[in-house]
This record gives sequence, C-alpha cells and structure tokens, in this order.
Amino acid sequence: DTAVSQTPKYLVTQMGNDKSIKCEQNLGHDTMYWYKQDSKKFLKIMFSYNNKELIINETVPNRFSPKSPDKAHLNLHINSLELGDSAVYFCASSQDIAYNEQYFGPGTRLTVT
Amino acid sequence: DQQVKQNSPSLSVQEGRISILNCDYTNSMFDYFLWYKKYPAEGPTFLISISSIKDKNEDGRFTVFLNKSAKHLSLHIVPSQPGDSAVYFCAASVGVSSSNTGKLIFGQGTTLQVKP
Repeated sequence: DTAVSQTPKYLVTQMGNDKSIKCEQNLGHDTMYWYKQDSKKFLKIMFSYNNKELIINETVPNRFSPKSPDKAHLNLHINSLELGDSAVYFCASSQDIAYNEQYFGPGTRLTVT
Repeated sequence: DQQVKQNSPSLSVQEGRISILNCDYTNSMFDYFLWYKKYPAEGPTFLISISSIKDKNEDGRFTVFLNKSAKHLSLHIVPSQPGDSAVYFCAASVGVSSSNTGKLIFGQGTTLQVKP
C-alpha cells in the first residue's frame, strides 16, 4: 500500500492554464505539506496543513492555492501557469506538527510549455 | 540565503568502504536534523535523524554525527553497498516542542555512487 500518493505523476501543460495536483496519505497523519524542487534540486516548503488548518504559507505566488478537504488529502491548485512553475512538486505528511519525520510522495513533474 | 548546505554535489565510494556525507548549517536555532535518501523518480525517504541534545545516533549501517559548535553534521554509511547509490539530503528544523511548525530546511543534496 502506498503511504503518500500523488496524481498525476507527470503533467505537461501550456502557459496560462489552471491545473491541480492531488495528494492522499493513508498513514493517519495529521499534518501534510507541499514542497517544490526546482531545477537546482533545492527542496523548498510551500505549504503545510495540520488537521485541515493552514500552518505554513511560504512566500508563494497567490496563483498557488492548497486545499485540504480532510486531513488525509491536500491538493494543490495552480492558476495561470507560468514557465517558472516547471518543477517537481512533492507532497509529504507527518504524524503531527511536533514530529519532524516527514514521509514523501513520489512527486509530480510539472512542465509548463 | 541557504541555511543548510551540502558542499559536495557528488561522492564516489567503493563497495564495502565507508561513505561520509557532510552538511553544514548556519542557523543556531536548528535543533533537529534529518537525513533523507532519494532514488530517481521517487520521493525522498527518511533515513535517520538526530536531536541537538545528542552528538551521535546510530541505526545499523548508518550513523549521524552532530558537531553543534561547528554547525556541522555528517552521515556515515559503513559498509557502503551499491544499493546505497542515491541522492542524500540533509534537513534541519527548529523546535520539537509544541511550537514546532514542522518546517524542514533542506540542503541541495549529495549524489552518492557506490561502485561494486
């Protein structure tokens, strides 16, 4: 059973489009995260939710909006996609906010053309 | 401002020998450190961690050492195996208390190649 899953794994789209990436965890964790890995391979946190409440909101353009319908899901919506949004996006979860061990999904490679 | 740095982008080691991966940090508020391993086309997987109250943590072939005065940590893998070939990320966070936001700051990774 996959602990943290993301769909789709690959996403190719044109500039200006709106797209979503879905994330689900079956670990019973309370906290979920979105990370972006850019072309230089840096992994940077974008958002975190704890029990559906937004905890971390890094300096991310307003075009990015996370949505957590329940604590097992954290989706990422991106409006008006730009070339610079091309990256690998990783979802992660942890038992709760006090636990640093985070479990990552396989990533979604987004390519904006 | 890169608060966690892994200055060696790559490391090549012979099977059976020791692999030493290094990580430096600048923020003295960091009090918990983790190592993640990442294979191509997969997400990072948690490997081992250490709290700032310790200077060593061991788990099988993996040992993490923390030198707080030097703001330096290292991951030792011994003996190294070809299956250890991957990208290794070091990460740091502030707080394991109730004030923890869960934010991890990652280094840029070191690619380890273990040759048979």
